[in-house]
Amino acid sequence: SAVISQKPSRDICQRGTSLTIQCQVDSQVTMMFWYRQQPGQSLTLIATANQGSEATYESGFVIDKFPISRPNLTFSTLTVSNMSPEDSSIYLCSVEYDSQTTDTQYFGPGTRLTVL
Amino acid sequence: SQQGEEDPQALSIQEGENATMNCSYKTSINNLQWYRQNSGRGLVHLILIRSNEREKHSGRLRVTLDTSKKSSSLLITASRAADTASYFCATGLSGYALNFGKGTSLLVTP
Repeated sequence: SAVISQKPSRDICQRGTSLTIQCQVDSQVTMMFWYRQQPGQSLTLIATANQGSEATYESGFVIDKFPISRPNLTFSTLTVSNMSPEDSSIYLCSVEYDSQTTDTQYFGPGTRLTVL
Repeated sequence: SQQGEEDPQALSIQEGENATMNCSYKTSINNLQWYRQNSGRGLVHLILIRSNEREKHSGRLRVTLDTSKKSSSLLITASRAADTASYFCATGLSGYALNFGKGTSLLVTP
């Protein structure tokens, strides 16, 4: 299984500021995804982080609000920009190693964000 | 993405009893995965079942999949207090992100 770490594990931020969340994987992976989990809700996909190209965003999520970087096959960042209290959520990255050999997706421990 | 539906939304049982959670979905899939989440933390992968499989076991877990009915079930046998968590089903296609159900909150009391 994958070892995935996220930083920070939690943060409390002021309205209007930005936070960058890091996701580090212990080995190279083909697919990386970012999800949001609002309080008491299920997970919603924000975007697919593509290595070497722009992320692919889901409906309702835009690059200006959630810029994503993926400089290599083991690392990605998600920035939550110009935050408002509605952005208070758990943000999770997930990875799929190799879709040709396994479809299992593993999740990081999540970043719990509270916006005041 | 379309989310699946899980039922029940909440389940409360006593230790030693079996817990059954159901999941229905709408889209075509080639796999369905079950996850556990403790107190809003990260998701722990429990089991993956492929669309050409009907049943799978892992320890105290048994998962079934009926693609004709677009439904799956997760059975936890001989439950323990440590099984208290939220359980999510997620459907997917290889190389794509998962579509998550709304989850079932399981409470196992001693």
